[in-house]
Amino acid sequence: EAGVAQSPRYKIIEKRQSVAFWCNPISGHATLYWYQQILGQGPKLLIQFQNNGVVDDSQLPKDRFSAERLKGVDSTLKIQPAKLEDSAVYLCASSPSRDTQYFGPGTRLTVL
Amino acid sequence: DQQVKQNSPSLSVQEGRISILNCDYTNSMFDYFLWYKKYPAEGPTFLISISSIKDKNEDGRFTVFLNKSAKHLSLHIVPSQPGDSAVYFCAASAADFGNEKLTFGTGTRLTIIP
Repeated sequence: EAGVAQSPRYKIIEKRQSVAFWCNPISGHATLYWYQQILGQGPKLLIQFQNNGVVDDSQLPKDRFSAERLKGVDSTLKIQPAKLEDSAVYLCASSPSRDTQYFGPGTRLTVL
Repeated sequence: DQQVKQNSPSLSVQEGRISILNCDYTNSMFDYFLWYKKYPAEGPTFLISISSIKDKNEDGRFTVFLNKSAKHLSLHIVPSQPGDSAVYFCAASAADFGNEKLTFGTGTRLTIIP
């Protein structure tokens, strides 16, 4: 079974630039999550989708972050404009149920 | 407001001995707990979970214990192997939240000494 795919794996940008991350979840998983993991901290949920609807985006900085899930499958997370404090690993996860979430390898973003 | 706490940033254990990783939580609404393992440059992988209706769950070398009155859970790995060296995250969720949102601790880096 293929896992959660994410791209790119690494991205370096300057502050005030824009960046987008892509996630392809495990086939058949209705729920998709985006997490932000800052160095030395645990993953923090940014947004949760159920199919193509948003379930929880309470911790998404909506002035600069946006996310969508097209046709209930792939998802993109965008930051515009980026700030220095956005440097982190962005993890995508998908889940068939409450039992567990399957994580992708993450995208490491460095904002200079 | 750190609702899930892992107070030990790191732990070193001799190969073959028992590794015990601890996790405390403050939100009494949490009713489902998970442990994830993370290698460098990879995403976290699910290890083991426990529901609040249980106080112990075992899977091979891994056992999770839950003490609801103390709001404390622990992960026991026995015997510890070099491949267990990784960062371990404790996570919790609450059914009443209406979704499967996980709240993670800050992680404990486990190093198994050969």
